[in-house]
Amino acid sequence: DVKVTQSSRYLVKRTGEKVFLECVQDMDHENMFWYRQDPGLGLRLIYFSYDVKMKEKGDIPEGYSVSREKKERFSLILESASTNQTSMYLCASRWGRLNEQYFGPGTRLTVT
Amino acid sequence: AQRVTQPEKLLSVFKGAPVELKCNYSYSGSPELFWYVQYSRQRLQLLLRHISRESIKGFTADLNKGETSFHLKKPFAQEEDSAMYYCALSNNAGNMLTFGGGTRLMVKP
Repeated sequence: DVKVTQSSRYLVKRTGEKVFLECVQDMDHENMFWYRQDPGLGLRLIYFSYDVKMKEKGDIPEGYSVSREKKERFSLILESASTNQTSMYLCASRWGRLNEQYFGPGTRLTVT
Repeated sequence: AQRVTQPEKLLSVFKGAPVELKCNYSYSGSPELFWYVQYSRQRLQLLLRHISRESIKGFTADLNKGETSFHLKKPFAQEEDSAMYYCALSNNAGNMLTFGGGTRLMVKP
């Protein structure tokens, strides 16, 4: 059974802080994804990675960066958090050609 | 650019009534479509995909290329179907999903 875990369920940060969101998957999946989930807007892709040290911008990469040093771990970084980055952040992983994505439980980030 | 539209943010029905959650898409290639579901306090999970032509938990969805739609249907709604439903479209490379805005289904007793 695929397991995707995220480091925190709830996080509160101040404006201007550097924020790290961590995601780990245990199924050796090549692809990993970061989304933000907002009411009425659905899920929007921030970044994805198709292999270690490889990354691609999604639809809304501004204000975010990512790091993938190991296959199982994909980090989302907010260099200087802003209030408009208050959201639910979902991590997902996917294996090869099968299009099913497996999601983590989410991190609800509040920036004050 | 690919786009997925779910016109209803909220759909409320009574138990035993038929349900149809609408999804329309725009895509220039050959589409691959999915429905994902998120129950209260649970993670987002795949419900069904159009290529499988399967029925999961009584739900079915048919891809209509002429109308560019992939509506999710169930003949008799149950209270446990109450959840957030997202329609999603895969790109040609199969490595990205575009999600619709989601529809919250509430099934009343």
